[in-house]
Amino acid sequence: EPEVTQTPSHQVTQMGQEVILRCVPISNHLYFYWYRQILGQKVEFLVSFYNNEISEKSEIFDDQFSVERPDGSNFTLKIRSTKLEDSAMYFCASRYRVSGNTIYFGEGSWLTVV
Amino acid sequence: SQELEQSPQSLIVQEGKNLTINCTSSKTLYGLYWYKQKYGEGLIFLMMLQKGGEEKSHEKITAKLDEKKQQSSLHITASQPSHAGIYLCGADANSGGSNYKLTFGKGTLLTVNP
Repeated sequence: EPEVTQTPSHQVTQMGQEVILRCVPISNHLYFYWYRQILGQKVEFLVSFYNNEISEKSEIFDDQFSVERPDGSNFTLKIRSTKLEDSAMYFCASRYRVSGNTIYFGEGSWLTVV
Repeated sequence: SQELEQSPQSLIVQEGKNLTINCTSSKTLYGLYWYKQKYGEGLIFLMMLQKGGEEKSHEKITAKLDEKKQQSSLHITASQPSHAGIYLCGADANSGGSNYKLTFGKGTLLTVNP
């Protein structure tokens, strides 16, 4: 069964450093998402991406965050200058189309900021 | 914004027992998704419900959406240790954008004792 793959599975970074989390969505999917889950808390929406542009972002997704689909297969989340509170599990997700289509999630990337 | 309340927050059952997890929405559900998450891992899609009164089953898990489309239940029959994990309900939110994001409940932690 096709799956969303994410790398790295775990990254430890120093506060203030830039981090790039990578995702390969399912190949024929058109809508892409990043979510995050702080330990013990809800899964929270960060950003959605369609047709090579951001279609919606949450208030969490401030100027420190950016997303890119550089080559038609990868979908990346960049955190420009990490803070301690960015420590979380980051999930990439994709779906073929909206409304009635399943959103498939990757295994997640654990980010620890020290 | 759409809020999803899950109950109970946690549940401990003896292997072989049946159990039910509920998910209640503050607004009409356009699509209701059930996922399972092992601690610190990704979200595994279980089932999606869209129509009022809809019911779906997979192996020993049955999910239902009520007629008013504001409440869903997940029922596990003859639970096994492999059913242990965190069960999350997620709802399609009409975000007003061109694609819908999912809003999640806080999850129900299920422990199945052998």
